Amino acid sequence: AQSVTQPDIHITVSEGASLELRCNYSYGATPYLFWYVQSPGQGLQLLLKYFSGDTLVQGIKGFEAEFKRSQSSFNLRKPSVHWSDAAEYFCAVGPPTNAGKSTFGDGTTLTVKP
Amino acid sequence: ETGVTQSPTHLIKTRGQQVTLRCSSQSGHNTVSWYQQALGQGPQFIFQYYREEENGRGNFPPRFSGLQFPNYSSELNVNALELDDSALYLCASSSGGNGNEQFFGPGTRLTVL
Repeated sequence: AQSVTQPDIHITVSEGASLELRCNYSYGATPYLFWYVQSPGQGLQLLLKYFSGDTLVQGIKGFEAEFKRSQSSFNLRKPSVHWSDAAEYFCAVGPPTNAGKSTFGDGTTLTVKP
Repeated sequence: ETGVTQSPTHLIKTRGQQVTLRCSSQSGHNTVSWYQQALGQGPQFIFQYYREEENGRGNFPPRFSGLQFPNYSSELNVNALELDDSALYLCASSSGGNGNEQFFGPGTRLTVL
């Protein structure tokens, strides 16, 4: 069975500081990994995805994530956080052939201090 | 290009009632997935429809059922509503039964009293 763990329920960072959100996954085969962002009252927006190739992937809004197979991790990073990045972030894992059957973590809420 | 839309935005029902939620997929997409997102949790996969057929189901009871129409829009029906069914219901569309990216609608907030 596939599963995703996001160890940090809530993270607070100062504007301009760097950010790292943790994600650990369990999947029996080569995983398809995603990071989504959800603002209050809105649906999920895809930030980036990884299936194969370079283990460091670039996404939208200046985010990047690094896939580490040996650690079963797919952590999200941003060098300098903006106030508009405050939101909830979800990591997800899915079968390579079907993103629509993804399993999500319970999310990390990001608060940005001025 | 029209994105994924869902209706209604909000809904209040009482225990035991039935509800139908609707989703219009993004133009060119023939696959719709439904998720339930309870408060403070991540979305949980309910089921997926591909070309009008169910294409996989998560760990939800049979009172959760769905339908996909020839234009690829979809419905989620929930019978005998329970208090724990209160959640944000999200639909996402993708292209092909093996789509590598899904696009989410804004969701329907269901409250069961």
